[in-house]
Amino acid sequence: SQTIHQWPATLVQPVGSPLSLECTVEGTSNPNLYWYRQAAGRGLQLLFYSVGIGQISSEVPQNLSASRPQDRQFILSSKKLLLSDSGFYLCAWSRVSPYEQYFGPGTRLTVT
Amino acid sequence: KNEVEQSPQNLTAQEGEFITINCSYSVGISALHWLQQHPGGGIVSLFMLSSGKKKHGRLIATINIQEKHSSLHITASHPRDSAVYICAVPGGGADGLTFGKGTHLIIQP
Repeated sequence: SQTIHQWPATLVQPVGSPLSLECTVEGTSNPNLYWYRQAAGRGLQLLFYSVGIGQISSEVPQNLSASRPQDRQFILSSKKLLLSDSGFYLCAWSRVSPYEQYFGPGTRLTVT
Repeated sequence: KNEVEQSPQNLTAQEGEFITINCSYSVGISALHWLQQHPGGGIVSLFMLSSGKKKHGRLIATINIQEKHSSLHITASHPRDSAVYICAVPGGGADGLTFGKGTHLIIQP
């Protein structure tokens, strides 16, 4: 069966510090991978998606970047965090079809 | 871009009541997702449907593709059903999801 892991579960970081969130998927190959963010009081928003190793597309301009160094590994990064980067970050994966998405447990990031 | 609207935003009901949450979207889709988010933040996929109706236990989801509308029903509601219910449709790049703002449901004993 397929499993998706995210870490860390919670993170408190000062403004201006770097960020690295990691997501790994087990039990499937060549998945589509996604990073979503839920800011406080707001709905979920797609940040990045990847259809293959090294292929990253951004949906919204922001202070964050993503990378996919291996087929089942997806990393969300920032060089310098802003207060507005606080939120709940979810990684998800799907097969190309029929589009059902499976979500990781999430990382709650607080930038102070 | 697909716009997803959910109603109501907040709903408080008594245990045992029949619950309905509505979702409408602006652009035709291949499938619609209903998700459940618990207070800790974790998200569980409840349904993915492209036509008609699906049922899992006390949960029923329906979709009308022509009217661009879906409903999630909970029969015999229970306090453990308290959560945020989110409607989502493919519409982002590589079919990433576009989400409604969610319905915060509280079932009181």
